[in-house]
Parts: sequence; structure tokens; C-alpha cells
Amino acid sequence: DADVTQTPRNRITKTGKRIMLECSQTKGHDRMYWYRQDPGLGLRLIYYSFDVKDINKGEISDGYSVSRQAQAKFSLSLESAIPNQTALYFCATSDVTRTGNTEAFFGQGTRLTVV
Amino acid sequence: QKEVEQNSGPLSVPEGAIASLNCTYSDRGSQSFFWYRQYSGKSPELIMFIYSNGDKEDGRFTAQLNKASQYVSLLIRDSQPSDSATYLCAVIRDDSWGKLQFGAGTQVVVTP
Repeated sequence: DADVTQTPRNRITKTGKRIMLECSQTKGHDRMYWYRQDPGLGLRLIYYSFDVKDINKGEISDGYSVSRQAQAKFSLSLESAIPNQTALYFCATSDVTRTGNTEAFFGQGTRLTVV
Repeated sequence: QKEVEQNSGPLSVPEGAIASLNCTYSDRGSQSFFWYRQYSGKSPELIMFIYSNGDKEDGRFTAQLNKASQYVSLLIRDSQPSDSATYLCAVIRDDSWGKLQFGAGTQVVVTP
């Protein structure tokens, strides 16, 4: 089983609908992130969380919200989906290794299409 | 100016040759540097990280970091068709708590 699991893997939704993307991890990491990827733009940070009580906006948080239900779960919501939110979404976790380096782990991705 | 810049490619490389990928970053506070490989539609996979100036080798991959010039590069020796992918450069600032800042990626195509 994957250490970072995203559901659903693919989703087509209509404009104006509310949709939730879920992420769960078995790494035991406190830090979790949501990124979106668009062709030619790389990955951009939407929201991040360093523990259950700590939620922070990333560079492109408008139109999104998140919930950190537990250390292992971090959900991303689109309150009213619009076509330009069509993208590939990745959840990630990170931790600091014993040598002081940061190591990140990505989920398999969710391909979201808003029509 | 983007914080992390890469040539988008595609970079066409004959099988067995060396692929050379470059990445520049704008924030001098950046401390940690990563190269991820991403196959189409798949999640990024970490292949190299480097924190100190100089070269770091891991198998067929060599990462090079020059903080004074603010660039980091990746060399892939003996390129194989399975190396065909998009390579993402990412950086972490020392105060960013592990937040990765990604470049747009360079597409590499290894031709038999």
C-alpha cells in the first residue's frame, strides 16, 4: 500500500459543485501539503499544515479550503468548482531526517476536471 | 521573475549520451535543493538532493550546486529510454518549514 494515498484518483465535476479531495498517510509525518500541477507551470502550493491545529495558505489558496482531521488526514475542498481549477492535484508529506535533511513523499495524484 | 527557473525542453538526448539539465533560483536564502523525476500523469519521485556547493554523485546521476551563481544542475550519464521524463528542480528556503518551491520542469526525451 502507498504511504500517501489520495482519493479519488480521477474526478469529473460540474462548474459550481463542491468537491473534496482526500489524503491520508501512514508515514507518521506532521507536515502535509496540497499542490496543484498545470502543464508548463510545475507544482504550486495551495495549503500546508504542520500539525492538526496549524493550517497555512500557500501561493494559490483562493477558491480552496482544507481540513486537517487528524495527523494522518488532510482534505482539500473546492467550495464551488470552476473550469480553471482543472488540474492534477498532489498531496505530500515531509519530515526531517536524522541528518537534518527534509524528505518529501507524494501521493499518486488526483486528476480533476471541471466542466 | 520566477523563483525557480528551468528550460522547458524538450531536451533530446541520444541513448548512452549525457543529459545536462540546469536550474536557477532567485532566493539566496535557499538552502536545500532537489531533483525529482516525473513520468507523465504520475507523482514526482525524488532522485537527488544536495545541500552543499560542489558535486554529488549517485549512480548515473550527478547533482552540482553553485550557491554563488544560484544554480543547480543535474547530469544523467549513459542515458536510457527509461530516463525519458520531466525533471523538476525544487528548492527549500531555510525558513520555509519544508515547503518545496518547484520549477516548471524540463522534459527529457532519450532516443534509441
